[in-house]
Amino acid sequence: GQNIDQPTEMTATEGAIVQINCTYQTSGFNGLFWYQQHAGEAPTFLSYNVLDGLEEKGRFSSFLSRSKGYSYLLLKELQMKDSASYLCAPLAAGNKLTFGGGTRVLVKP
Amino acid sequence: DADVTQTPRNRITKTGKRIMLECSQTKGHDRMYWYRQDPGLGLRLIYYSFDVKDINKGEISDGYSVSRQAQAKFSLSLESAIPNQTALYFCATSDPTVGQGDNEQFFGPGTRLTVL
Repeated sequence: GQNIDQPTEMTATEGAIVQINCTYQTSGFNGLFWYQQHAGEAPTFLSYNVLDGLEEKGRFSSFLSRSKGYSYLLLKELQMKDSASYLCAPLAAGNKLTFGGGTRVLVKP
Repeated sequence: DADVTQTPRNRITKTGKRIMLECSQTKGHDRMYWYRQDPGLGLRLIYYSFDVKDINKGEISDGYSVSRQAQAKFSLSLESAIPNQTALYFCATSDPTVGQGDNEQFFGPGTRLTVL
């Protein structure tokens, strides 16, 4: 089965950095996605890691360690619009995406 | 125009009623999915279809059925709605040959369903 663990909520100040950790256990592994979801809206793609290491894309970076079943999403230079939920989603065997409960990030002025 | 559309966007119904949620896509993707989202529980997969002749149960298929009428259309039915099916429902599509990864999913805007 699948087990995904990420913090429920985090609060940070505008301009700061926040790191959202995710640990997972899946039946097979074909990569890990991070999605952003603003309240009441559809999730949108942020990043995809299939190999170990750090993938950087502007203010957002995502890290993966397959041996540890661990990933994190790093948000730099936080902006008010970054207030949203961030969903960790490992891709298991059979190409089935499984979503964590999401981490709600609140950015304060 | 949106690539993945869902109708209706909001629906209030009563216990025991049959409800159909529809999803259409213009992305030309073969794979389509139905999820429900409840506060604190994330997105949970109800059913998925990798092509028109392929239908698979997801994590929480009990109480739901689906129909893949065409590559572009995937409908979700609640045969006899019950209050604990009150949730936000998302349709998604994917194609392993496009996007940022093998299975990046593209979501519709969601349907908010309330069962009284």
